[in-house]
Amino acid sequence: QVQLQQSGAELVKPGSSVKMSCKASGYTFTSYYIYWIKQRPGQGLEWIGRIGPGSGDTNYNEKFKGKATFTVDKSSSTAYMQLSSLTPEDTAVYYCARSLAYWGQGVMVTVSS
Amino acid sequence: DVVMTQTPVSLSVSLGGQTSISCRSSQSLVHSDGNTYLYWYLQKPGQSPQLLIYKVSNRFSGVPDRFSGSGSGTDFTLKISRVEPEDLGVYYCYQGTHYPNTFGAGTKLELK
Repeated sequence: QVQLQQSGAELVKPGSSVKMSCKASGYTFTSYYIYWIKQRPGQGLEWIGRIGPGSGDTNYNEKFKGKATFTVDKSSSTAYMQLSSLTPEDTAVYYCARSLAYWGQGVMVTVSS
Repeated sequence: DVVMTQTPVSLSVSLGGQTSISCRSSQSLVHSDGNTYLYWYLQKPGQSPQLLIYKVSNRFSGVPDRFSGSGSGTDFTLKISRVEPEDLGVYYCYQGTHYPNTFGAGTKLELK
């Protein structure tokens, strides 16, 4: 069955970076886009962008350009998202999803000094 | 950006009852390929969102037929019949036609 296993919660300091992972299983990793979604505490969902693991093609929400960077490792069927120059406004749960049909469990990122 | 306006913000329903949620987009969601990329999701408390409906009216695998989607262009509706306790949570519409893709603000479904 399709599964997306995300890395664990992160507590990071303002100004730092964080890199989270999304390990896919149960399907051909290179055949489907991986999407990244942000959800601030008690808030709605925000589309960060997506990456095509086969081609490396990316689409970013303009709002997150310079903030988020997507990469993949095809050998381990893992997608990554790095967030840089973190501020308290980046405190959120970050989800990966295969074509927005199958979702990971989310990574809680807390930005605090 | 395309704005997705969901109404109502919250709903109270009785178990076994029927209800509907509206989602209106600020632009037509008909893609140049002819498809309309309007999706519906349910997020239960403490869980990841789960896909209910894709491309307006197609139920995702395992979704009961109590859920149905309809609409076209800029005006869409999710109907839920015979409401069960596991249907409670926040419903989101989402458009994948235009960049950036956008979600509605959500509709919270609660028990009356």
